[in-house]
Amino acid sequence: GAGVSQSPRYKVAKRGQDVALRCDPISGHVSLFWYQQALGQGPEFLTYFQNEAQLDKSGLPSDRFFAERPEGSVSTLKIQRTQQEDSAVYLCASSLGTAAVNTEAFFGQGTRLTVV
Amino acid sequence: KQEVTQIPAALSVPEGENLVLNCSFTDSAIYNLQWFRQDPGKGLTSLLLIQSSQREQTSGRLNASLDKSSGRSTLYIAASQPGDSATYLCAVGLGNKLVFGAGTILRVKS
Repeated sequence: GAGVSQSPRYKVAKRGQDVALRCDPISGHVSLFWYQQALGQGPEFLTYFQNEAQLDKSGLPSDRFFAERPEGSVSTLKIQRTQQEDSAVYLCASSLGTAAVNTEAFFGQGTRLTVV
Repeated sequence: KQEVTQIPAALSVPEGENLVLNCSFTDSAIYNLQWFRQDPGKGLTSLLLIQSSQREQTSGRLNASLDKSSGRSTLYIAASQPGDSATYLCAVGLGNKLVFGAGTILRVKS
């Protein structure tokens, strides 16, 4: 596709519910990132994939958060037993290079998650 | 821990004015620095990417500079327009991730 695509755009979940957020990166991009953006703040790093390998998950806030990219393309961020503090915009980004931060990162429009 | 600070937090200017947005970071061991624009309810649009070996980048009315030794970057916007109204974020490339500032909310009044 022309850009990074995320779905759904909006998600309302009841507390305790599991959610799955999808990211379609730019075709051919090796690196994929997930970020969490709270209201009024800059995005914060969650996890990084190089192809199908999850090389860095240091930003995942708890073991309720899980991400995968099984075929090195589409990625899913799963949050189990959602809590109110999980409410945020979840942004996905991809970049062409394997030395990820040396190449430009392109972001999707994000998924706004609201936990009620 | 790398910290990125953006000043001012918000800025309101009349159309046509030139303006400067500031970004500072605490650890100079960065790979690059990227400026983004974010419109309400939207994702991030990349504006300029400066590699650590570079001093500045220009694109149209935008010019970004980087001084690694002092931990500073500026984004200069010439002849501002109402369409420039958005939140501007700077981010430093560090390891496998970008570390973002909280952003500057810019409003250009017509």
